Amino acid sequence: KAGVTQTPRYLIKTRGQQVTLSCSPISGHRSVSWYQQTPGQGLQFLFEYFSETQRNKGNFPGRFSGRQFSNSRSEMNVSTLELGDSALYLCASSLEASGGDTQYFGPGTRLTVL
Amino acid sequence: AQSVTQPDIHITVSEGASLELRCNYSYGATPYLFWYVQSPGQGLQLLLKYFSGDTLVQGIKGFEAEFKRSQSSFNLRKPSVHWSDAAEYFCAVGSSTDNTDKLIFGTGTRLQVFP
Repeated sequence: KAGVTQTPRYLIKTRGQQVTLSCSPISGHRSVSWYQQTPGQGLQFLFEYFSETQRNKGNFPGRFSGRQFSNSRSEMNVSTLELGDSALYLCASSLEASGGDTQYFGPGTRLTVL
Repeated sequence: AQSVTQPDIHITVSEGASLELRCNYSYGATPYLFWYVQSPGQGLQLLLKYFSGDTLVQGIKGFEAEFKRSQSSFNLRKPSVHWSDAAEYFCAVGSSTDNTDKLIFGTGTRLQVFP
């Protein structure tokens, strides 16, 4: 079974632009979560989607948004990019988002904002 | 509020030596606890998890962890470290009371292994 895939793997943008990152969960998984990883703040939860509904959201500004499609694929969008948005963005999927499910992480998208 | 503390930012051991990585958590109830490993440029791989039952949990790659409620700890151990274990290790806590996958991560411990 294929793992979690994230595209693109690397991205370079300039301040003020917007970006869309994509995550394809493991087949059959209905829950997708997103995390931001930076050297200064570590791993921080962004949001969680289950059956196309956002179930939980972390403490990030409204410039960060996401959505999930009927096939469970998810996208996250960051508008008006700032230098501090440079990070590794990780996506994870699980079967049911019950907390007791094992989450499987993708390789991440490395975003650099210049 | 939930939180996770990994007191050791960086640990260096010799190959073949034993290893213990510390993790302390703060959570109102009995949490779900996880250890993940991240190699450079990679995502996170689950080593082991604790939900309930036996407090000594076995994981992949020869790792184990012990849940100690009285100490709010979930330390990761390995009896003999291999050079390939060099990576960053993250402890995380998840909710056992809400329907959510949200994880709170510690700041990580970077493990360096000398031959």
